[in-house]
Amino acid sequence: RKEVEQDPGPFNVPEGATVAFNCTYSNSASQSFFWYRQDCRKEPKLLMSVYSSGNEDGRFTAQLNRASQYISLLIRDSKLSDSATYLCVGELPGAAGNKLTFGGGTRVLVKP
Amino acid sequence: EPEVTQTPSHQVTQMGQEVILRCVPISNHLYFYWYRQILGQKVEFLVSFYNNEISEKSEIFDDQFSVERPDGSNFTLKIRSTKLEDSAMYFCASSSGTGGYGYTFGSGTRLTVV
Repeated sequence: RKEVEQDPGPFNVPEGATVAFNCTYSNSASQSFFWYRQDCRKEPKLLMSVYSSGNEDGRFTAQLNRASQYISLLIRDSKLSDSATYLCVGELPGAAGNKLTFGGGTRVLVKP
Repeated sequence: EPEVTQTPSHQVTQMGQEVILRCVPISNHLYFYWYRQILGQKVEFLVSFYNNEISEKSEIFDDQFSVERPDGSNFTLKIRSTKLEDSAMYFCASSSGTGGYGYTFGSGTRLTVV
């Protein structure tokens, strides 16, 4: 079983619409979770951390459900610039420094 | 904003040759990492480095791979004898602490083995 699993998409979203997608993780030792954004052939960039209480950053809302080992991301009022691959990432503690485990990504295409 | 710098941006090498990928982490960061992403696949952890030694490595990081911090600023990944399957984007990252929130990735080196 993959450690972090995501629907690869693509999710085709009309501009201005809301899109939501999620990921599941298998390693309950994962301490923290993040959503990263990756544009084509570029490096991953941190979008936001994910907390059990749910957290919001502008048009983005993330939620962590530890009981179900499930993480979600919701994007409101989608912009063309939101088109990207969204990576669900878990953090595993290490002896020194933490290892990030990436999902395969969910591709989002926002269209006019 | 501080950034992680990687050179070269693209490297083409013949199978069996040695390559060295270079990274300059953020200056006050203490933890350094290499990840790779084969085209169309997920980002995979290779190795973490702290206090001048490897702290963790994945099963991908076999004897063909090595890392070094030769001076106070550079962090290098060496692949001793490249294989076709080593073709990938290699990302260097650094962090100030053990929380993933502080991770910064470099823009990557695209390695093509022919």
